Amino acid sequence: GAVVSQHPSWVICKSGTSVKIECRSLDFQATTMFWYRQFPKQSLMLMATSNEGSKATYEQGVEKDKFLINHASLTLSTLTVTSAHPEDSSFYICSARVQEGQQAFFGQGTRLTVV
Amino acid sequence: AQSVAQPEDQVNVAEGNPLTVKCTYSVSGNPYLFWYVQYPNRGLQFLLKYITGDNLVKGSYGFEAEFNKSQTSFHLKKPSALVSDSALYFCAVRANNAGNMLTFGGGTRLMVKP
Repeated sequence: GAVVSQHPSWVICKSGTSVKIECRSLDFQATTMFWYRQFPKQSLMLMATSNEGSKATYEQGVEKDKFLINHASLTLSTLTVTSAHPEDSSFYICSARVQEGQQAFFGQGTRLTVV
Repeated sequence: AQSVAQPEDQVNVAEGNPLTVKCTYSVSGNPYLFWYVQYPNRGLQFLLKYITGDNLVKGSYGFEAEFNKSQTSFHLKKPSALVSDSALYFCAVRANNAGNMLTFGGGTRLMVKP
């Protein structure tokens, strides 16, 4: 199957700093990318959907000024957690697909720990 | 609104025995149904999906799932469990006209004991 790569796999940052997570589709062009968040022992929660070249659509309750999403190219989307706090510590996963109706492929996830 | 229920937080099974991980869903219109597996410290891996056609879907690693429209279920099964199958399993659904949104169940931890 297609490969989606996230970087970094894990990151520790200080409270108040910003962290950028990259999601790349390595062997296909992803018109749509999705960002999920997973709390311990809980399911994935969709945070936002981004289409290449346009603004991301955020799910209700997700602060768009805190979780900045950029999808500048067909192979790269970034999630920036701004002014991170300990409660932002979580597992963030991206997925990407070519087009509507096709399977989405998931990255390996990024574990963020804010201290 | 669409929703997914995985009624069991954990399923324990002995190696070599058959396993079932349950999933029921609620969605408007025809569902697209998926199963994913998550190993420790790893992202999700796709196992199988139902879009249309045969109700019995076969997927990776010997897993299969049966779509039952009348019971709105999509239970994951395997005839003979392996210790290496121990992981967290997620069922997901989206309506065929729901645009982007996949809704995930809460996950079921499968423990296969030797």
